[in-house]
Amino acid sequence: NAGVTQTPKFQVLKTGQSMTLQCAQDMNHEYMSWYRQDPGMGLRLIHYSVGAGITDQGEVPNGYNVSRSTTEDFPLRLLSAAPSQTSVYFCASSYSAFLSSGNTIYFGEGSWLTVV
Amino acid sequence: TQLLEQSPQFLSIQEGENLTVYCNSSSVFSSLQWYRQEPGEGPVLLVTVVTGGEVKKLKRLTFQFGDARKDSSLHITAAQTGDTGLYLCAGYTGTASKLTFGTGTRLQVTL
Repeated sequence: NAGVTQTPKFQVLKTGQSMTLQCAQDMNHEYMSWYRQDPGMGLRLIHYSVGAGITDQGEVPNGYNVSRSTTEDFPLRLLSAAPSQTSVYFCASSYSAFLSSGNTIYFGEGSWLTVV
Repeated sequence: TQLLEQSPQFLSIQEGENLTVYCNSSSVFSSLQWYRQEPGEGPVLLVTVVTGGEVKKLKRLTFQFGDARKDSSLHITAAQTGDTGLYLCAGYTGTASKLTFGTGTRLQVTL
């Protein structure tokens, strides 16, 4: 009963390096998303996907790319890391993109990223 | 950009006390959710409120959605140390995938 799995848990990058945060869910959910969490700012939506082959930008997409080649996986790529991207990243999924009552969003445990 | 402000930002109380956390916005939401997040973990959904004026109870937690669907409150009765965590509200406008999170309230309950 894995739910939403994120890897790695912790990562330190140098400015300018690239990396991919992995996210996988085993609940056959159509909707997947990436958030970043910074102190005093809640969670902010980076990118989201309403199904395989479909992605869209959220509130803070700059510096990040995503793809959704399968229903299960939704990787987040940092093309050229910057110190401003130091944050905790959460992947989330739900059955439907329409987040009404009865449609629960499930979050992964988070990936702590530090860019030096 | 819709903004959800939570108050207070931090709350430290003793076990057995009551507390209320507020979530306010100038925007109207079609539904509002409350989450609890513990250190090193992702947020976990507690409740979703949909109708203006709706009140939902989850054991010692009472959630209320404002009549105008712009604000919400979370009241905890007789807090326990297990209630310690970060409480987040999140508003949904009805547009696919658009969930706006509040700034969070960090609650610490001590013996």
